[in-house]
Amino acid sequence: QVQLVQSGAEMKEPGASVKVSCKGSRYTLSNHYIYWVRQAPGQGLEWMGIINPRGGATSHTQKFQGRITMTRDTSRSSVHMELSSLTSEDTAVYFCARSGDAMVSDATLDYNYMDVWGKGTTVIVSS
Amino acid sequence: EIVLTQSPDTLSLFPGERATLSCRASQSVSSNSLAWYQQRPGQAPRLLLYGVSNRATGVPDRFSGSGSGTDFTLTISRLEPVDFAVYYCQQYAGSNTFGQGTKVEIK
Repeated sequence: QVQLVQSGAEMKEPGASVKVSCKGSRYTLSNHYIYWVRQAPGQGLEWMGIINPRGGATSHTQKFQGRITMTRDTSRSSVHMELSSLTSEDTAVYFCARSGDAMVSDATLDYNYMDVWGKGTTVIVSS
Repeated sequence: EIVLTQSPDTLSLFPGERATLSCRASQSVSSNSLAWYQQRPGQAPRLLLYGVSNRATGVPDRFSGSGSGTDFTLTISRLEPVDFAVYYCQQYAGSNTFGQGTKVEIK
């Protein structure tokens, strides 16, 4: 079935960066937006940002301004989310999720429900 | 930003009972752009409903959604053991935001 396969768990020191990957399986990644959502231990879901995997356009919440970079690798049918200047508050499980509706163009960003989720990537920030 | 507030925080019920979960938005959610997710411990969220009341593929019909504007409800008609989990609402009318979640626990 359609899946999003995420990269493995990471442990980072404060101040470092982490890059999480998300690869589409059994569907064409470039046909749907990809969202990034994180969940701190025992907490709720926090939406981080969106990428258009076809054209590369991105948007993110103000909270991550200057620290988040979302990119795509069309040859590998994957997207990546890099978060820099990590602190202990970034310790969380990071999920990628697919938009339920297909994209309409290369240049747009659209907010949608999330019908397929990756299993999550645990990122622990600790010295 | 549209803020979503879910209530109650925790719902304690017996299997077989009816569960009613609420999600209230700080401003009107246009185009019925409201979804519900279920999350079991250690798992990723699972889409249950989108567009307020449309069930996702494979979701049993004991799950139903209703509401409009600022007030939305997820109803589980008869709780099965697998339904005890945390439920989140999400609006996607303006950016994406999630409610804080409601935990449905076994009484």
